[in-house]
Amino acid sequence: ETGVTQTPRHLVMGMTNKKSLKCEQHLGHNAMYWYKQSAKKPLELMFVYSLEERVENNSVPSRFSPECPNSSHLFLHLHTLQPEDSALYLCASSQEPFRQEGSGTQHFGDGTRLSIL
Amino acid sequence: LAKTTQPISMDSYEGQEVNITCSHNNIATNDYITWYQQFPSQGPRFIIQGYKTKVTNEVASLFIPADRKSSTLSLPRVSLSDTAVYYCLVSGMDSSYKLIFGSGTRLLVRP
Repeated sequence: ETGVTQTPRHLVMGMTNKKSLKCEQHLGHNAMYWYKQSAKKPLELMFVYSLEERVENNSVPSRFSPECPNSSHLFLHLHTLQPEDSALYLCASSQEPFRQEGSGTQHFGDGTRLSIL
Repeated sequence: LAKTTQPISMDSYEGQEVNITCSHNNIATNDYITWYQQFPSQGPRFIIQGYKTKVTNEVASLFIPADRKSSTLSLPRVSLSDTAVYYCLVSGMDSSYKLIFGSGTRLLVRP
């Protein structure tokens, strides 16, 4: 139990579908992240929210749309995805800012395995 | 941002001590060094974090030389369940959002 819960754990969707990934953290953190991990590739940071404001968007295609309604919840809305978007999508949270040693550690959920048909 | 370099893979046997070294030649004064462990189909898990010298917790030790251009994660007496990918990250207080995961080190522990 990491304190970060992602649903669903597995998702299969067609390229024309619209779906959403959900992340909830129970750690009282104020920053949340979305990462993409493709097979045999490093984790790629997609979006960062700090105090519910988006502070980072790493050139992610517009077919991925994040939403952070409060500091405990993070969504990733998906539409018109491509086969290359099949991957493990990981959510993480941390306490910002890092101002002392030992802070800033990211806590990850176990991800949503997304398959695009 | 400091780039990190780690061996792609390592093999070990149960009961041995495993040391994984990470190079980060461009580490900045405010940067910390953090190690994560990842099992298949799970998110990375925090192992240990340090700034200088030596840090030890219940699962690992982290050795950082005075120049801080490298760090070594030490896993004492590994077991089969330590088979995983280990990531070394460098991040600072002013770039805390920009965590860049490299390819990591794939550790295989054999019986």
